[in-house]
Amino acid sequence: DADVTQTPRNRITKTGKRIMLECSQTKGHDRMYWYRQDPGLGLRLIYYSFDVKDINKGEISDGYSVSRQAQAKFSLSLESAIPNQTALYFCATSDSTWNTGELFFGEGSRLTVL
Amino acid sequence: AQTVTQSQPEMSVQEAETVTLSCTYDTSENNYYLFWYKQPPSRQMILVIRQEAYKQQNATENRFSVNFQKAAKSFSLKISDSQLGDTAMYFCAFMSTDSSYKLIFGSGTRLLVRP
Repeated sequence: DADVTQTPRNRITKTGKRIMLECSQTKGHDRMYWYRQDPGLGLRLIYYSFDVKDINKGEISDGYSVSRQAQAKFSLSLESAIPNQTALYFCATSDSTWNTGELFFGEGSRLTVL
Repeated sequence: AQTVTQSQPEMSVQEAETVTLSCTYDTSENNYYLFWYKQPPSRQMILVIRQEAYKQQNATENRFSVNFQKAAKSFSLKISDSQLGDTAMYFCAFMSTDSSYKLIFGSGTRLLVRP
C-alpha cells in the first residue's frame, strides 16, 4: 500500500458541484501539502499545514478550502467547481524532524470539471 | 518571492548519451534546498537528487549529478548514460529553510530518450 494515498484517483464533475479530494498518510509526517499541476505551469501550492492546528494559504488558494482532520488526513475541497479547476492535484507530506526538505507525494487525483 | 525557471520545455537525447537540464532560481535567502523531481508517465513524483545550499560539493546519485552554481543561482541536472526509463517530466524545485519550508517548482522539462 502507498504511504500517501489520494482518493479519488480520477473524477469528472460538473460546474457548480462541491468536490472533496482526500489524502491520508501512514508515514507519520507532520507536514502536509496540496498542489495542483497544469501543463506548462509545473506544480503550484494551494494550501499547506504544518500540524493539525496549522493551516496556511499557498499561492493559489482562491476557490479552495482545506481541513486537517488528524495528523494523517488532509482534505481539499472545491466549494463550487469551475472548469479552470480542471487539473491534476497532488497531496504531499514531509517530516520536520529530519528537515531534509524532501516531500513525499501521493499518486495524484485527476479532476475534470465540465 | 522565490521563483524557479526552467527554460527548456522539451529535450531529447539518444540512449546512452548524456543530457543536461537547466534550472535557475531567484532568492534573497541564504539557506535553502534545491531538488530535481522526475514525473514518468505514471504521474508519480519521484525525488531524483537533492542539494543543500551550504554545501559546495555537487550532489551525485548514480547516473544523476548536479552543477550547483550558488552565485549564479543555477542548478542544472546532468543525466549520464541515458536510459529509456529516464523518459519523463523533470521538475526543478526550491525550498527555503530560513522561512517557509514551501517547495516551489519550475514549469518542467519534458525529456524524451530515443532508442
